[in-house]
Amino acid sequence: SYELTQPPSVSVSPGQTARITCSGDALPNQNAYWYQQKPGQAPVLVIYKDTERASGIPERFSGSSSGTTVTLTISGVQAEDEADYYCQSVDSSGIFVVFGGGTKLTVL
Amino acid sequence: QVQLQESGPGLVKPSETLSLTCIVSGYSISSGYHWGWIRQPPGKGLEWIGSIYHSGSSYNNPSLKSRATISVDTSNNQFSLKLSSVTAADTAVYYCARHRIAAAGTENWFDPWGQGTLVTVSS
Repeated sequence: SYELTQPPSVSVSPGQTARITCSGDALPNQNAYWYQQKPGQAPVLVIYKDTERASGIPERFSGSSSGTTVTLTISGVQAEDEADYYCQSVDSSGIFVVFGGGTKLTVL
Repeated sequence: QVQLQESGPGLVKPSETLSLTCIVSGYSISSGYHWGWIRQPPGKGLEWIGSIYHSGSSYNNPSLKSRATISVDTSNNQFSLKLSSVTAADTAVYYCARHRIAAAGTENWFDPWGQGTLVTVSS
């Protein structure tokens, strides 16, 4: 079955830039999406179609894509950005949804 | 403003069927979009269960081996999930969400999500 691979954790100091990667063989041909999930809360869409910021999401969040890897970048990280981040896409058929394993962002 | 709310029993016995309903407000299911179910075992990641269109056409995660059935009730603006033959491995927070799908896989995302409901499988 198709998988998306994320690092389990990323740590940065406030004001620095955090980069969270997501790798998958179908990503060159399928768009990726990013969700932020804070403890006890439902996920919130952050980035759609690789690079588009969802409504209400601060400009410090951006997405990029290169080959089989997509990246969520958070510039000028703030304490409130500490959360789990999940990438999502579909398999090569374009039908079945897959989530990455999630990355815990810690703001030191 | 679209809002989704999950409802259903918080405790289900092993081998029985888990049943949940998602009530949608602020948007008519019949107006379009797919509607999906996603779950998250305690302390673990997200798993897509399946999605349905207002016409009733649906598709599910093959990993659930046909145990999941999703249905839609447009008259009450809600959709439902049934998961049969549950085991402890099905213990999770279950979320419903609006599922945007465009042709050829160019768009496929979930927004917004319900708050989620914890379902525990235990005797």
